[in-house]
Amino acid sequence: KAGVTQTPRYLIKTRGQQVTLSCSPISGHRSVSWYQQTPGQGLQFLFEYFSETQRNKGNFPGRFSGRQFSNSRSEMNVSTLELGDSALYLCASSQKASSYEQYFGPGTRLTVT
Amino acid sequence: GENVEQHPSTLSVQEGDSAVIKCTYSDSASNYFPWYKQELGKRPQLIIDIRSNVGEKKDQRIAVTLNKTAKHFSLHITETQPEDSAVYFCAASPSYKLSFGAGTTVTVRA
Repeated sequence: KAGVTQTPRYLIKTRGQQVTLSCSPISGHRSVSWYQQTPGQGLQFLFEYFSETQRNKGNFPGRFSGRQFSNSRSEMNVSTLELGDSALYLCASSQKASSYEQYFGPGTRLTVT
Repeated sequence: GENVEQHPSTLSVQEGDSAVIKCTYSDSASNYFPWYKQELGKRPQLIIDIRSNVGEKKDQRIAVTLNKTAKHFSLHITETQPEDSAVYFCAASPSYKLSFGAGTTVTVRA
């Protein structure tokens, strides 16, 4: 099976812009979780989607949003970008829920200038 | 919410020695405890996991132990090799969310 894929791999944006990141899970996986990874804060949970429904959300401002499509692909959107949003954004897919094995994608490296 | 603490933050071991990383969690409802290895510039990879109905699990040179009463779990790597050098993350999940520890940078000295 193909692994989790994320596009784009690298992005450079300026403050105030918005960005959309995409994640395609492993075939047959219905759960997609998103994480923000920074050197100072480690891996922080953003949200999880299962069957097009958001099941859980982390402590991030409303500028961070997401959705999941019927084919389980997921997108994450960040509006009004701030310098502090610069990070590696990882998605992970799981067959059922995040309490089962999660497999990570390669991440999207977002730089906000 | 779940809070996971991980120690030590850095660990340097001689090749062939053992490495131990410890984590504690706060939510007694957590029932799934995975460990991830992240090499520089790469994605986190699941290396071993344990559920709350099991006290210990082993896979070749790595093993994980869980003490539900004390709410802590540990990763043990025996006979360390240079390729074990990486950042290791523990995590805990009560349901639909994984909470990660801050990570341990392991360096194996040749």
